[in-house]
Amino acid sequence: EVQLVESGGGLVQPGRSLRLSCTGSGFTFGDYAMGWVRQAPGKGLEWVGFIRSKHTGGTTEYAASVKGRFTISRDDSKSIAYLQMSSLKTEDTAVYYCTRDDDHIVVMDTIYYYYYGMDVWGQGTTVTVS
Amino acid sequence: DIQMTQSPSSLSAFVGDRVTITCRASQSISNYLNWYQQKPGKAPKFLIYAASSLQVGVSSRFSGSGSGTDFTLTISSLQPEDFATYFCQQSYRIPWTFGQGTKVEIK
Repeated sequence: EVQLVESGGGLVQPGRSLRLSCTGSGFTFGDYAMGWVRQAPGKGLEWVGFIRSKHTGGTTEYAASVKGRFTISRDDSKSIAYLQMSSLKTEDTAVYYCTRDDDHIVVMDTIYYYYYGMDVWGQGTTVTVS
Repeated sequence: DIQMTQSPSSLSAFVGDRVTITCRASQSISNYLNWYQQKPGKAPKFLIYAASSLQVGVSSRFSGSGSGTDFTLTISSLQPEDFATYFCQQSYRIPWTFGQGTKVEIK
């Protein structure tokens, strides 16, 4: 079974740091980009960022709201993705979901089109900044 | 950033009804549009990519359409397990952005 399990959430004071982990199983972890999405209490989904697979460069992208404060990394040997959060603010309070990100292929007129999607989600871990 | 706007924000429907949710992008995103379903207290579930392609394992009750700036998600015959919140998301340009969600409730 393909599965993602987040850990590391908790209560943290403003200005402090916290590291979340996301452990994947049931698939070849290193073949996929891994992302993070958060959801503030009673609110919608907010994309946080992702890290590409090593074979597509291993680079990262971030939302403006977290750029410079959050860092995504990965250890493919352990099938773990990390979200290092620093200089935390009260507005970072949310459930944080780990996602497996993949390109889904659609073939039209013999041309391959690639559509990025978050196709597997973890159960989420709660971060409270207070 | 590309803004995604869904309508309505919520709706009430009977089991068996046909339901349509609209998502509008602030600029053309071709068909780089995904849909997700989220039930209370649960993680979102990936439903549709490329505006109209059903993810493996998703019921054929769900369908998507649209291109450019206007998209729809349709549930052909609403079932009890379909009551949830639905989000659209553009994958045309980073940063990825979501609509605010449409909550589908039981009438």
